[in-house]
Amino acid sequence: NAGVTQTPKFQVLKTGQSMTLQCAQDMNHNSMYWYRQDPGMGLRLIYYSASEGTTDKGEVPNGYNVSRLNKREFSLRLESAAPSQTSVYFCASKQGYYNEQFFGPGTRLTVL
Amino acid sequence: AQSVAQPEDQVNVAEGNPLTVKCTYSVSGNPYLFWYVQYPNRGLQFLLKYITGDNLVKGSYGFEAEFNKSQTSFHLKKPSALVSDSALYFCAVRDPLYNTDKLIFGTGTRLQVFP
Repeated sequence: NAGVTQTPKFQVLKTGQSMTLQCAQDMNHNSMYWYRQDPGMGLRLIYYSASEGTTDKGEVPNGYNVSRLNKREFSLRLESAAPSQTSVYFCASKQGYYNEQFFGPGTRLTVL
Repeated sequence: AQSVAQPEDQVNVAEGNPLTVKCTYSVSGNPYLFWYVQYPNRGLQFLLKYITGDNLVKGSYGFEAEFNKSQTSFHLKKPSALVSDSALYFCAVRDPLYNTDKLIFGTGTRLQVFP
């Protein structure tokens, strides 16, 4: 099992460009999450999907959209990137009410 | 509102000494509490969790944590630190009364173990 995979690992964008971060999990988990990690701020939830076909906003959804393409895949889209979106983005998945989340390796995004 | 605090940005400890990384929380109901570790340029790895039951929870790599309801704390401990324990540690809480599937993370504590 690969667990949770994310692509790309690194990306540099110019202000105003768009891009999609991809996330996939092979653990048959129902729930999937997108976080951003910034120094001194811990992890903040952007969007999550409790099951295939549903998505909900987290703490910091502005400037982002998501798609739960199927049970395996959950993508995060930046329509018009801004320097404030420079961050490390993590995808996670979980199965079961009491269980822990499993995290991907992250995508380091820089917006110039 | 749910929240979790990690009051120390960094903890320094000598190898072989006991270590404690502090975490306090605020929730409306009985909390679900988690500890994760992050090594450089890696994703978060699960260490341990408290859902219910015994207040002392044992986890991976020799770590344990004690749930203290009266002090609303869930401190991470290890009896004898290793240099390889040096990493960033995150506490997280979920409030089941909110009936959501979301975790709230602390800001993280960097643990530095010196040889």
